[in-house]
Amino acid sequence: AQSVTQLGSHVSVSEGALVLLRCNYSSSVPPYLFWYVQYPNQGLQLLLKYTTGATLVKGINGFEAEFKKSETSFHLTKPSAHMSDAAEYFCAVTSMDSSYKLIFGSGTRLLVRP
Amino acid sequence: NAGVTQTPKFRILKIGQSMTLQCAQDMNHNYMYWYRQDPGMGLKLIYYSVGAGITDKGEVPNGYNVSRSTTEDFPLRLELAAPSQTSVYFCASSSTENTEAFFGQGTRLTVV
Repeated sequence: AQSVTQLGSHVSVSEGALVLLRCNYSSSVPPYLFWYVQYPNQGLQLLLKYTTGATLVKGINGFEAEFKKSETSFHLTKPSAHMSDAAEYFCAVTSMDSSYKLIFGSGTRLLVRP
Repeated sequence: NAGVTQTPKFRILKIGQSMTLQCAQDMNHNYMYWYRQDPGMGLKLIYYSVGAGITDKGEVPNGYNVSRSTTEDFPLRLELAAPSQTSVYFCASSSTENTEAFFGQGTRLTVV
C-alpha cells in the first residue's frame, strides 16, 4: 500500500533563506507525485507535479522538486523564501496501479520570519 | 467558472443525526474524492470514484457512504454522526489520476 511521509510538521525559515520541505513515499511502483499548498481557510492548490520524464520539476511561485527514485523522495525547494510563502504544504501520491487513490502526507507548515 | 462546489460551508450536528455533504463539479472530471482534514493529520481519503457508478473506499471510510449517479455529483452521507466526525471535509476532482486535483472550499462540520 502506498504512503507518504513528510518530515517536520513545522519548518521555520528567514525571509530570503532556502526553503526545503521533505517528502518520502512508499509504493510498490513509482507513483505520480504532487505538491499542493493550502492557505488559511482555503482549499488546496497545485504547486507542481511529477508524472514521467525530467526528474527536476518546476512549479509556480519559484518552487521546484526533484524526484529521486533511489531515495523514494520528492523534496520541495525554493531558493529564497518570501513572506507570502507562509502556508501549509502537502505532498501527495497517486499509485500507478489500478487503485487510483490520491493519498496525502500529514503536511508541513512553513513559517517565514521577517 | 465554478469548479468544485461544496455545500454547506458550515454545519453543526447533534450526535446520532444524519446529513449529506454535497459536492458538484462542472469540469466533466471522471475522478472525484472526499477527504477529511484534522489538525496535524493532513488529508485522509474517505472515498473516491473513478467515474459514474464506480466508488471505492479510501483510508478512513467507516461511518460514511457515497454514491456517484452522475459525473457531476459526488455526495457524502453521514448516517449516525459521532463527535469523531468533527472535521473539515474537502471534495476534489481530477480528469485522470496524473492530473491536477481541484478542491472545493471545504465544509466545516462540528458534531456535538
